[in-house]
Amino acid sequence: QVQLVESEGGLVKAGGSLRLSCAASGFTFSDYYMTWIRQAPGKGLEWVSCISTTSSYTNYADSVKGRFTISRDNAKNSLYLQMNSLRAEDTAVYYCARYDTSSWNFDAWGQGTLVTVSS
Amino acid sequence: DIQLTQSPSFLSASVGDRVTITCRASQGISSYLAWYQQKPGKAPEVLIYAASTLQSGVPSRFSGSGSGTEFTLTISSLQPEDFATYFCQQLNSYPLTFGGGTKVEIK
Repeated sequence: QVQLVESEGGLVKAGGSLRLSCAASGFTFSDYYMTWIRQAPGKGLEWVSCISTTSSYTNYADSVKGRFTISRDNAKNSLYLQMNSLRAEDTAVYYCARYDTSSWNFDAWGQGTLVTVSS
Repeated sequence: DIQLTQSPSFLSASVGDRVTITCRASQGISSYLAWYQQKPGKAPEVLIYAASTLQSGVPSRFSGSGSGTEFTLTISSLQPEDFATYFCQQLNSYPLTFGGGTKVEIK
């Protein structure tokens, strides 16, 4: 079955960096766009970034542009999110998800990982 | 950016009730709309995509309709496991955006 497992998040100081990873299994990873979504405590969902199958195309929310970098390694079935210059407002549960661009939805999600940025 | 406005933001209903949630887009998005259900402490799960297509495995009491700027999610007969928060999402253009959510609670 499709499985997405995010790495552990953690506590980081404002201005610091953190790299999240997402291990995919149960499907042909290289066939799918992948995406990151976050959810601040008690708040709604915010799309963060997505990446095409061959990494040729990436897109970011304005709130993270220039600070976060999405990448993938199809040989390792892994997705990454490098987060730099972290701010308190980046505190959230971060989810990786499979982005089905044929049916236009996020059809599989990881369990989420909490990133806390202390000021 | 395309804004999605969900209404209501909170809904109190009883088991067996018919429930309708509305999602309005700030500009036309054709049928590039999905609906997700999220239970506390869990990741969201897709219910509906392309505005009206039921995701495999989702009960038929869930249905979606609409196109352009106005969309609805309907639960024909609310079940105990349906008490959750529901989000709409537009996938017409970047940045991809979500509605603010509708929390469905037990009356």
